Amino acid sequence: DGGITQSPKYLFRKEGQNVTLSCEQNLNHDAMYWYRQDPGQGLRLIYYSQIVNDFQKGDIAEGYSVSREKKESFPLTVTSAQKNPTAFYLCASSRERNEETQYFGPGTRLLVL
Amino acid sequence: RKEVEQDPGPFNVPEGATVAFNCTYSNSASQSFFWYRQDCRKEPKLLMSVYSSGNEDGRFTAQLNRASQYISLLIRDSKLSDSATYLCVVRGNTPLVFGKGTRLSVIA
Repeated sequence: DGGITQSPKYLFRKEGQNVTLSCEQNLNHDAMYWYRQDPGQGLRLIYYSQIVNDFQKGDIAEGYSVSREKKESFPLTVTSAQKNPTAFYLCASSRERNEETQYFGPGTRLLVL
Repeated sequence: RKEVEQDPGPFNVPEGATVAFNCTYSNSASQSFFWYRQDCRKEPKLLMSVYSSGNEDGRFTAQLNRASQYISLLIRDSKLSDSATYLCVVRGNTPLVFGKGTRLSVIA
């Protein structure tokens, strides 16, 4: 089955620690995205990538980093510089940047201890 | 003014009722419009695209008013399974912009 997987489903981070969230897709999509969702809030774009080895900052990139070494993978690192990392993180992909539909993974809930 | 604005609700309606949500957007250059559905603690999923001429998918009807910059979603004959948060989504020259969503609870 084609789709997007995110792991882990739940992640706990100690203060001052970097953590990496995994996102993998086998849809052969060029574009991938990372969003953050806080309770009662809409999705906010962190980073997106239109093609391998290329990515752009979204609206709230500070304290996050990404890489796109492979078409199917777009990991997100939440660094210690992100002061309020507790949130629901969603990865998405689309065939190309301007593709109408984005397909989402099941999300990772990050909690700071 | 926020890019995409929605009434957060909640809308509490009985089964069988008709309910309508509206959404306004600020960027007049926006090109594409969508409604996504998000169940509690789950990922958003595309419900339907919104076309200028309006479009219908079963019990769901979406309409776009470019002059007034608003989008609507009408749900007829509400089911318990329609309970979810409905996200209004707009695309201009950047990746999708999501509204905060409108929460719907359909009550037996």
